[in-house]
Amino acid sequence: KQEVTQIPAALSVPEGENLVLNCSFTDSAIYNLQWFRQDPGKGLTSLLLIQSSQREQTSGRLNASLDKSSGRSTLYIAASQPGDSATYLCAVGRMDSNYQLIWGAGTKLIIKP
Amino acid sequence: EAQVTQNPRYLITVTGKKLTVTCSQNMNHEYMSWYRQDPGLGLRQIYYSMNVEVTDKGDVPEGYKVSRKEKRNFPLILESPSPNQTSLYFCASKGLAHEQYFGPGTRLTVT
Repeated sequence: KQEVTQIPAALSVPEGENLVLNCSFTDSAIYNLQWFRQDPGKGLTSLLLIQSSQREQTSGRLNASLDKSSGRSTLYIAASQPGDSATYLCAVGRMDSNYQLIWGAGTKLIIKP
Repeated sequence: EAQVTQNPRYLITVTGKKLTVTCSQNMNHEYMSWYRQDPGLGLRQIYYSMNVEVTDKGDVPEGYKVSRKEKRNFPLILESPSPNQTSLYFCASKGLAHEQYFGPGTRLTVT
């Protein structure tokens, strides 16, 4: 059974620092991996989607990598800003036709001004 | 604007009183799903639908029903809500690139 883990559960860093959020999964047979941002009262926003055949995806200051063999993905945030404060969730897409996402519990990120 | 909408956003109800949470998407997506989010447990899939009139159970379907009579709508029905269904609920739809789009969430409290 696929399990997705995000460590740490919370992270606080000063503004301007580069940071890395981690996501690990137990079964390398994945369809894709998606990173989301969750803001209180505003639902979930998709940040980056990495297909199983890809190694990384970039969007602005965000870069997500995928290493299926080691069961790991990282989300790199460059030059962090207070507006980046949110909970970041990773979700792994199943290989079967369900398209179900298996979720990590998230990392709550606080960027201190 | 492409979006998934849910209503209501907040709901407080009592045990046993039937309720429906509506979900609608304007992207013509075939795949839609419902998740619940609980502290420390992450999001768990309740039901999903591959297309009109095609629905199936996710990981935690007990106590819930869904229907998919139209492509754009996927309501979640709680026939007899119980306190353990107090949670934050998200509806989602999936595009051709398999990217999932989420509604703003419905916070349900059952007393």
